[in-house]
Amino acid sequence: DTEVTQTPKHLVMGMTNKKSLKCEQHMGHRAMYWYKQKAKKPPELMFVYSYEKLSINESVPSRFSPECPNSSLLNLHLHALQPEDSALYLCASSQDLSPYNEQFFGPGTRLTVL
Amino acid sequence: SQQGEEDPQALSIQEGENATMNCSYKTSINNLQWYRQNSGRGLVHLILIRSNEREKHSGRLRVTLDTSKKSSSLLITASRAADTASYFCATGFSGGYNKLIFGAGTRLAVHP
Repeated sequence: DTEVTQTPKHLVMGMTNKKSLKCEQHMGHRAMYWYKQKAKKPPELMFVYSYEKLSINESVPSRFSPECPNSSLLNLHLHALQPEDSALYLCASSQDLSPYNEQFFGPGTRLTVL
Repeated sequence: SQQGEEDPQALSIQEGENATMNCSYKTSINNLQWYRQNSGRGLVHLILIRSNEREKHSGRLRVTLDTSKKSSSLLITASRAADTASYFCATGFSGGYNKLIFGAGTRLAVHP
Protein backbone atom coordinates (compact mmCIF):
# COMPACT_ATOMS: atom_id res chain seq x y z
CA ASP A 1 0.00 0.00 0.00
CA THR A 2 1.73 3.15 -1.23
CA GLU A 3 -1.17 5.48 -0.65
CA VAL A 4 -1.71 8.51 1.52
CA THR A 5 -5.39 9.16 2.12
CA GLN A 6 -6.97 12.44 3.18
CA THR A 7 -10.46 13.20 4.41
CA PRO A 8 -12.60 15.05 3.69
CA LYS A 9 -12.01 15.81 -0.01
CA HIS A 10 -13.82 19.13 0.30
CA LEU A 11 -14.66 21.24 3.33
CA VAL A 12 -16.60 24.46 3.62
CA MET A 13 -16.53 26.19 6.99
CA GLY A 14 -17.42 29.50 8.55
CA MET A 15 -14.93 31.63 10.40
CA THR A 16 -16.33 30.57 13.79
CA ASN A 17 -16.33 26.84 13.07
CA LYS A 18 -13.95 24.20 14.37
CA LYS A 19 -13.09 21.43 11.97
CA SER A 20 -10.35 18.85 11.45
CA LEU A 21 -8.53 17.45 8.46
CA LYS A 22 -7.34 13.87 8.60
CA CYS A 23 -4.44 12.12 6.90
CA GLU A 24 -3.52 8.45 7.03
CA GLN A 25 -0.73 6.29 5.65
CA HIS A 26 0.11 2.61 6.14
CA MET A 27 3.55 2.53 4.58
CA GLY A 28 5.35 2.51 7.93
CA HIS A 29 6.63 6.02 7.28
CA ARG A 30 7.85 7.91 10.33
CA ALA A 31 7.79 11.44 8.89
CA MET A 32 4.57 13.23 7.98
CA TYR A 33 3.97 16.71 6.59
CA TRP A 34 1.26 19.31 6.09
CA TYR A 35 1.45 21.67 3.13
CA LYS A 36 -0.80 24.52 2.05
CA GLN A 37 -1.28 25.28 -1.63
CA LYS A 38 -3.07 28.32 -2.99
CA ALA A 39 -4.42 28.29 -6.54
CA LYS A 40 -1.68 28.31 -9.21
CA LYS A 41 1.03 28.46 -6.54
CA PRO A 42 3.47 25.84 -5.29
CA PRO A 43 2.89 23.94 -2.05
CA GLU A 44 4.24 25.63 1.07
CA LEU A 45 5.39 23.59 4.03
CA MET A 46 3.44 24.12 7.26
CA PHE A 47 4.45 21.36 9.70
CA VAL A 48 6.73 18.35 9.87
CA TYR A 49 6.33 15.45 12.29
CA SER A 50 9.02 12.88 12.89
CA TYR A 51 8.32 9.83 15.03
CA GLU A 52 5.08 11.47 16.15
CA LYS A 53 6.85 14.58 17.44
CA LEU A 54 6.61 18.02 15.87
CA SER A 55 9.95 18.79 14.23
CA ILE A 56 9.22 21.85 12.14
CA ASN A 57 6.58 24.56 12.45
CA GLU A 58 6.99 27.09 9.66
CA SER A 59 5.63 29.96 11.74
CA VAL A 60 2.07 28.88 11.07
CA PRO A 61 -0.69 30.86 12.88
CA SER A 62 -2.08 29.15 15.97
CA ARG A 63 -5.51 28.81 14.37
CA PHE A 64 -3.92 25.75 12.70
CA SER A 65 -3.13 23.05 15.24
CA PRO A 66 -1.47 19.82 14.10
CA GLU A 67 -1.67 16.52 15.93
CA CYS A 68 -0.04 13.16 15.36
CA PRO A 69 -1.91 10.63 17.51
CA ASN A 70 0.07 7.66 16.16
CA SER A 71 2.57 6.80 13.45
CA SER A 72 -0.13 6.35 10.79
CA LEU A 73 -2.33 9.34 11.47
CA LEU A 74 -1.90 13.07 11.14
CA ASN A 75 -4.61 15.59 11.91
CA LEU A 76 -4.87 19.31 11.32
CA HIS A 77 -7.32 21.06 13.63
CA LEU A 78 -8.79 24.28 12.33
CA HIS A 79 -10.35 27.04 14.41
CA ALA A 80 -11.32 30.64 13.70
CA LEU A 81 -9.95 30.55 10.18
CA GLN A 82 -9.96 33.49 7.80
CA PRO A 83 -11.16 33.52 4.17
CA GLU A 84 -7.52 33.83 3.04
CA ASP A 85 -6.92 30.38 4.56
CA SER A 86 -8.97 28.87 1.74
CA ALA A 87 -6.60 26.56 -0.12
CA LEU A 88 -5.75 22.96 -0.93
CA TYR A 89 -4.21 21.28 2.12
CA LEU A 90 -1.87 18.47 1.26
CA CYS A 91 -0.53 15.79 3.53
CA ALA A 92 2.63 13.86 2.72
CA SER A 93 4.76 11.17 4.29
CA SER A 94 8.27 9.85 3.87
CA GLN A 95 10.24 7.00 5.34
CA ASP A 96 11.99 9.35 7.72
CA LEU A 97 13.56 12.81 7.72
CA SER A 98 16.46 11.84 5.48
CA PRO A 99 16.60 14.48 2.74
CA TYR A 100 17.03 11.73 0.13
CA ASN A 101 13.63 10.16 0.73
CA GLU A 102 10.81 10.95 -1.66
CA GLN A 103 7.63 12.30 -0.19
CA PHE A 104 4.33 10.60 -0.97
CA PHE A 105 1.41 13.01 -1.21
CA GLY A 106 -2.27 12.56 -0.56
CA PRO A 107 -4.91 13.99 -2.92
CA GLY A 108 -5.55 16.94 -0.63
CA THR A 109 -8.49 18.57 1.09
CA ARG A 110 -9.90 21.62 -0.66
CA LEU A 111 -10.89 24.03 2.08
CA THR A 112 -13.18 27.02 1.61
CA VAL A 113 -13.60 29.48 4.48
CA LEU A 114 -16.65 31.72 4.21
CA SER B 1 10.21 31.64 1.11
CA GLN B 2 10.31 30.33 -2.40
CA GLN B 3 13.61 28.69 -3.31
CA GLY B 4 13.20 27.54 -6.89
CA GLU B 5 12.12 29.54 -9.86
CA GLU B 6 10.85 27.72 -12.90
CA ASP B 7 10.84 28.62 -16.51
CA PRO B 8 8.74 28.68 -18.55
CA GLN B 9 5.63 29.28 -16.45
CA ALA B 10 3.52 27.63 -19.12
CA LEU B 11 4.35 25.39 -22.08
CA SER B 12 2.04 24.18 -24.84
CA ILE B 13 3.21 21.47 -27.24
CA GLN B 14 1.88 18.76 -29.55
CA GLU B 15 1.96 15.07 -28.75
CA GLY B 16 5.25 13.51 -29.72
CA GLU B 17 7.28 16.65 -29.13
CA ASN B 18 9.79 17.03 -26.32
CA ALA B 19 9.15 19.33 -23.37
CA THR B 20 11.94 21.03 -21.43
CA MET B 21 11.42 22.79 -18.12
CA ASN B 22 14.09 24.66 -16.18
CA CYS B 23 14.51 25.35 -12.49
CA SER B 24 16.90 27.70 -10.70
CA TYR B 25 17.54 27.85 -6.99
CA LYS B 26 19.43 30.05 -4.57
CA THR B 27 21.08 28.13 -1.74
CA SER B 28 23.13 24.97 -1.22
CA ILE B 29 21.14 21.81 -1.66
CA ASN B 30 21.32 18.11 -0.80
CA ASN B 31 19.21 17.11 -3.72
CA LEU B 32 16.68 18.37 -6.22
CA GLN B 33 13.43 16.60 -6.92
CA TRP B 34 10.77 16.92 -9.59
CA TYR B 35 7.08 16.36 -8.90
CA ARG B 36 4.00 16.33 -11.12
CA GLN B 37 0.56 17.57 -10.12
CA ASN B 38 -2.59 16.95 -12.09
CA SER B 39 -5.14 19.73 -11.87
CA GLY B 40 -5.36 20.58 -8.17
CA ARG B 41 -4.68 17.10 -6.87
CA GLY B 42 -1.80 15.53 -4.96
CA LEU B 43 1.77 15.59 -6.16
CA VAL B 44 3.52 12.57 -7.62
CA HIS B 45 7.26 12.16 -7.22
CA LEU B 46 9.06 11.79 -10.55
CA ILE B 47 12.78 11.77 -9.92
CA LEU B 48 15.43 12.79 -7.39
CA ILE B 49 18.92 13.88 -8.31
CA ARG B 50 21.59 14.26 -5.66
CA SER B 51 23.87 17.26 -5.51
CA ASN B 52 26.86 15.15 -6.63
CA GLU B 53 25.05 13.83 -9.70
CA ARG B 54 24.89 15.61 -13.04
CA GLU B 55 22.28 13.64 -14.97
CA LYS B 56 19.64 11.07 -14.27
CA HIS B 57 17.15 9.17 -16.43
CA SER B 58 13.84 7.52 -15.66
CA GLY B 59 11.83 6.23 -18.61
CA ARG B 60 11.02 9.24 -20.81
CA LEU B 61 12.38 11.66 -18.20
CA ARG B 62 15.86 13.12 -18.18
CA VAL B 63 16.99 15.45 -15.42
CA THR B 64 20.21 17.44 -15.34
CA LEU B 65 21.71 19.35 -12.45
CA ASP B 66 24.35 22.06 -12.62
CA THR B 67 25.27 23.06 -9.08
CA SER B 68 27.71 25.73 -10.30
CA LYS B 69 24.82 27.51 -12.00
CA LYS B 70 22.30 26.43 -9.36
CA SER B 71 19.98 25.13 -12.04
CA SER B 72 18.26 21.95 -13.19
CA SER B 73 16.26 20.92 -16.21
CA LEU B 74 13.59 18.30 -16.77
CA LEU B 75 13.19 16.88 -20.26
CA ILE B 76 10.14 14.82 -21.17
CA THR B 77 10.65 13.06 -24.47
CA ALA B 78 7.92 11.96 -26.89
CA SER B 79 5.23 13.69 -24.84
CA ARG B 80 1.69 12.33 -24.51
CA ALA B 81 -1.62 14.02 -23.73
CA ALA B 82 -1.48 12.26 -20.33
CA ASP B 83 1.66 14.29 -19.49
CA THR B 84 -0.53 17.40 -19.24
CA ALA B 85 0.03 18.62 -15.66
CA SER B 86 1.97 21.11 -13.56
CA TYR B 87 5.58 20.22 -12.90
CA PHE B 88 7.42 21.46 -9.83
CA CYS B 89 11.05 21.29 -8.86
CA ALA B 90 11.72 21.05 -5.15
CA THR B 91 15.02 21.54 -3.43
CA GLY B 92 16.12 19.68 -0.36
CA PHE B 93 18.36 21.71 1.87
CA SER B 94 21.75 20.85 3.20
CA GLY B 95 21.15 20.46 6.91
CA GLY B 96 19.57 17.06 7.27
CA TYR B 97 15.86 17.71 7.28
CA ASN B 98 13.61 16.42 4.54
CA LYS B 99 12.34 19.95 4.05
CA LEU B 100 11.34 20.68 0.47
CA ILE B 101 11.02 24.14 -1.00
CA PHE B 102 9.02 24.11 -4.22
CA GLY B 103 9.54 26.24 -7.29
CA ALA B 104 6.69 28.14 -8.91
CA GLY B 105 6.00 25.31 -11.35
CA THR B 106 5.55 24.93 -15.10
CA ARG B 107 2.07 24.22 -16.48
CA LEU B 108 2.48 21.82 -19.39
CA ALA B 109 -0.30 21.27 -21.93
CA VAL B 110 0.19 18.47 -24.47
CA HIS B 111 -2.31 18.59 -27.33
CA PRO B 112 -3.33 15.43 -29.23
